[in-house]
Amino acid sequence: EIVLTQSPGTLSLSPGERATLSCRASQSVSSSYLAWYQQKPGQAPRLLIYGASSRATGIPDRFSGSGSGTDFTLTISRLEPEDFAVYYCQQYGSSQFTFGPGTKVDIK
Amino acid sequence: QVQLVQSGAEVKKPGASVKVSCKASGYTFTSYGISWVRQAPGQGLEWMGWISAYNGNTNYAQKLQGRVTMTTDTSTSTAYMELRSLRSDDTAVYYCARWVYSGSSSFDYWGQGTLVTVSS
Repeated sequence: EIVLTQSPGTLSLSPGERATLSCRASQSVSSSYLAWYQQKPGQAPRLLIYGASSRATGIPDRFSGSGSGTDFTLTISRLEPEDFAVYYCQQYGSSQFTFGPGTKVDIK
Repeated sequence: QVQLVQSGAEVKKPGASVKVSCKASGYTFTSYGISWVRQAPGQGLEWMGWISAYNGNTNYAQKLQGRVTMTTDTSTSTAYMELRSLRSDDTAVYYCARWVYSGSSSFDYWGQGTLVTVSS
């Protein structure tokens, strides 16, 4: 099973700042099968990025994804008040999915 | 518009079973898979398994093998997840999600979640 590690656990930033979230895999992941989700309290997760770098429908262009192999990054160029949430990466390999433990982005 | 509507909250005793439903609308049900994901209180997301709505093929997370069964009813565009021999650590919100299995293997639409509480 591929294990995903996310860092940092918590990121404290102010609106307007840039957020850089990391997702590292225990073995190589196909870029096609790496996704990022946002979750706010009391809500279901929302797909942000699929295929490592493609934005899902309706996702603002301040969200971008990059990376390959074992290292992937989600970048939020300028934080808006609605972006403070928990972010999860997810991979698919050998017919199994795994999620990372999440990074909480909170207001400094 | 695509919607996944799940059944309501459940309270179960340890050792019992629970069956959660997920009714899909707004798309061709058999063109996508359904995956189930759960989230214990204050914890992260845990993938439970997937089912192809096209042919009923399934794949379950190893830790749940033998206790979980996922099925679909294509006549009503509804997916089901049954979990047996419930324990207190099965207390969680259970989500269904539409699985885009051609290309990206991501979950693009999610149900609202079903809280399952296991307590004596």
